[in-house]
Amino acid sequence: EAGVVQSPRYKIIEKKQPVAFWCNPISGHNTLYWYRQNLGQGPELLIRYENEEAVDDSQLPKDRFSAERLKGVDSTLKIQPAELGDSAVYLCASKVPWGGGELFFGEGSRLTVL
Amino acid sequence: KQEVTQIPAALSVPEGENLVLNCSFTDSAIYNLQWFRQDPGKGLTSLLLIQSSQREQTSGRLNASLDKSSGRSTLYIAASQPGDSATYLCAVFTNDYKLSFGAGTTVTVRA
Repeated sequence: EAGVVQSPRYKIIEKKQPVAFWCNPISGHNTLYWYRQNLGQGPELLIRYENEEAVDDSQLPKDRFSAERLKGVDSTLKIQPAELGDSAVYLCASKVPWGGGELFFGEGSRLTVL
Repeated sequence: KQEVTQIPAALSVPEGENLVLNCSFTDSAIYNLQWFRQDPGKGLTSLLLIQSSQREQTSGRLNASLDKSSGRSTLYIAASQPGDSATYLCAVFTNDYKLSFGAGTTVTVRA
């Protein structure tokens, strides 16, 4: 069974440019998370979806970040415009709905903003 | 807000030595606790998941214990190997469906 798939793996952009990351979760995993991880730190939650609904987006910087999960499967995270401080690894994770099931992560998308 | 702490931040041991990694959390109202491994430039790989009703979980050379009342979990890795070199993170899933991570312990196993 395929794991969580993310793309692109690496992205280098100039500041003020837009960027988008894509995530395909494990089949049947209706809960999807986007995390941001800075070097030497643990992941920090950006947004959590239960199916199509964003149930926790309290830590998403909504002035420049947006996310969508239109059909309750794939998800896209967008940054527009990007700032230098957005350089980080963006991780997608999925699990079975609600409850305390095991969380599975993708390989991450490493963003460098110049 | 749940605070998760992992001490030490880094650990270096000779091959064959047993590893003991610590994780502490401030809010004992947890659903479960999960240990992950992260290799440089990679995503997180799940190692063990302990439900709040469990005291420990084992997988091969790995054993994780959970003491919910004291807010602690310990990951033991027996007979360490150079391939065990990585960063190990613990994550606590609380009853309000929030998942909080520690900053991780970076382990180096010297051959």
